[in-house]
Amino acid sequence: QVHLQESGPGLVKPSQTLSLICTVSGGSISGGTYSWTWIRQHPGKGLEWIGYTYSSGNTDHNPSLKSRVTISVDTSQNQFTLRLSSVTAADTAMYYCAREVKNYYDSSGYYARIIDQWGQGTPVTVSS
Amino acid sequence: DIQMTQSPSSLSASVGDRVTITCRASESISIYLNWYQQKPGKPPKLLIYAASRLQSGVPSRFSGRGAGTDFTLTISNLQPEDFATYHCQQSYSNTRTFGQGTKLELK
Repeated sequence: QVHLQESGPGLVKPSQTLSLICTVSGGSISGGTYSWTWIRQHPGKGLEWIGYTYSSGNTDHNPSLKSRVTISVDTSQNQFTLRLSSVTAADTAMYYCAREVKNYYDSSGYYARIIDQWGQGTPVTVSS
Repeated sequence: DIQMTQSPSSLSASVGDRVTITCRASESISIYLNWYQQKPGKPPKLLIYAASRLQSGVPSRFSGRGAGTDFTLTISNLQPEDFATYHCQQSYSNTRTFGQGTKLELK
């Protein structure tokens, strides 16, 4: 069973860069049809997809976050990282790392893309 | 981006009730629709994928329907452990999006 764990500072000052690491254990971050994903949840709100990386280093991110997002992977450490620059109070949220299965086929042949593993989440507050 | 609109945003019900939550996509997403359940202080958990397929281990009182733009999650015979927040998510486009969530509360 793959386990994901977020780590990083819980408090970031406005205009600085938020950096979080997700460490994957119980399985390799390499190979497989997985994307390694960051999702956040503002207090009392819904979920917001931030972006993902493949183990190859190819990434994609939510256009609403413009160019502030950088997601990278370190396969030697079995980790992937989120960097969000120029943070404001609007970036205060619970941040989750997760694994998405890109090509999931069930026993009946149904195809899906599912998020099947989540970290416990780490709260980040942006405040001076 | 594909917008996902869930309704209602909150819902009160009693144990044993049957409830339905709706999720509407701003454009067709075929059946690339997942439902997640989230309890306070916990990450979401996958309930249903491909609009109607029950994830392994999920009780059969949960069911999903729909295709294109309109989807529903129905919970029959509500149990105490079902009071939680439910999120729909489209995985049709590269930019994944979630609905705003529906909080199911005990009446």
